[in-house]
Amino acid sequence: DAGVIQSPRHEVTEMGQEVTLRCKPISGHNSLFWYRQTMMRGLELLIYFNNNVPIDDSGMPEDRFSAKMPNASFSTLKIQPSEPRDSAVYFCASTNTQGPFYGYTFGSGTRLTVV
Amino acid sequence: RKEVEQDPGPFNVPEGATVAFNCTYSNSASQSFFWYRQDCRKEPKLLMSVYSSGNEDGRFTAQLNRASQYISLLIRDSKLSDSATYLCVAPTDSWGKFQFGAGTQVVVTP
Repeated sequence: DAGVIQSPRHEVTEMGQEVTLRCKPISGHNSLFWYRQTMMRGLELLIYFNNNVPIDDSGMPEDRFSAKMPNASFSTLKIQPSEPRDSAVYFCASTNTQGPFYGYTFGSGTRLTVV
Repeated sequence: RKEVEQDPGPFNVPEGATVAFNCTYSNSASQSFFWYRQDCRKEPKLLMSVYSSGNEDGRFTAQLNRASQYISLLIRDSKLSDSATYLCVAPTDSWGKFQFGAGTQVVVTP
């Protein structure tokens, strides 16, 4: 199993630019989560999808953030325009909510730096 | 009150010693909990699940106290490789949605 795959691993961009983060969940998992982690705020849930449908986006900071899941094997998190305060590690995680729950599996994360 | 609270530490532990730390949760209806381990600049990885009163896996023991609404993690015979941040995870009111604690840092010293 390849695990949850995120790209890019690192992204450095200038303030005002558009940033797109990508995630491929584990095959067979029906739920996908986008998290952001900073030293100050820890792990924050931004949005999660179940069966490709957004269930809860209450953690999305503002309208500059948007997420899509066009199919079961791909999701994107877009920030436009980016700001320095968006600098963080963004993790994607997936799980299967059908049957016993065994926790989330995280991707390696995207380290975003906005200058 | 935060949904999941942890002592941030750090817990400085001599190699071979035992260390234990707790995590409190606010949702009294919670049924399943998890401990994750996160190494510096890495993703969180599942360490243990806690579904009933407790769970043991080698040197690691997780316990659940429903009356006082906390879970604990105990590490026996600490190894240098146990140095990490340990994240407590508890369910929220929303189905399928879990809340992560801020983490407890453990530093095992030679």
